[in-house]
Amino acid sequence: DQQVKQNSPSLSVQEGRISILNCDYTNSMFDYFLWYKKYPAEGPTFLISISSIKDKNEDGRFTVFLNKSAKHLSLHIVPSQPGDSAVYFCAASGPNSGGSNYKLTFGKGTLLTVNP
Amino acid sequence: GAGVSQSPSNKVTEKGKDVELRCDPISGHTALYWYRQSLGQGLEFLIYFQGNSAPDKSGLPSDRFSAERTGGSVSTLTIQRTQQEDSAVYLCASSHGVGELFFGEGSRLTVL
Repeated sequence: DQQVKQNSPSLSVQEGRISILNCDYTNSMFDYFLWYKKYPAEGPTFLISISSIKDKNEDGRFTVFLNKSAKHLSLHIVPSQPGDSAVYFCAASGPNSGGSNYKLTFGKGTLLTVNP
Repeated sequence: GAGVSQSPSNKVTEKGKDVELRCDPISGHTALYWYRQSLGQGLEFLIYFQGNSAPDKSGLPSDRFSAERTGGSVSTLTIQRTQQEDSAVYLCASSHGVGELFFGEGSRLTVL
């Protein structure tokens, strides 16, 4: 039973355009959401996060939107750059994450390719 | 170094052998996690250490898997009698607690 779902395994966009990466979750107890970026042969690196008390968090070119009623979040990258090409993982945590407040549940990731 | 260090970066072993994977977390981080990523899959939680508390082992897939964290710092993940389905990238991460995890580069395990 996958609690965090990234239904698009890949996404391709042109440089300068907007990239929208989507994530759905099923556990209504999740209250903290994060996006990680992963380049090949490297560990994932933290990108941006959002608490369930907010519906938007922005950091430079990256904005995360949270729709709690739909159990959906999205990551917007604008403008997209070739260096943004990577796998993006959505992750969530909450008091019911198997009893641990800090354990993250990850999606399968979306491979973003930004074409020059 | 300043980041999470994992070794070995690559390990090829024969089915049935035991392997040990090491993680050296960021100094001062009290929380340490092991995840694994199998081909085409997301990151799968394995085990979580927080300070002196009992570890959360709920993600370990079988009793062939075990982990320890000595002195609240370095951790070793041990897989006994490896199977081909154990082939994956094993990622270690550390944190202060809530939220952002800092990951190492991972140990790629291939079981022949």
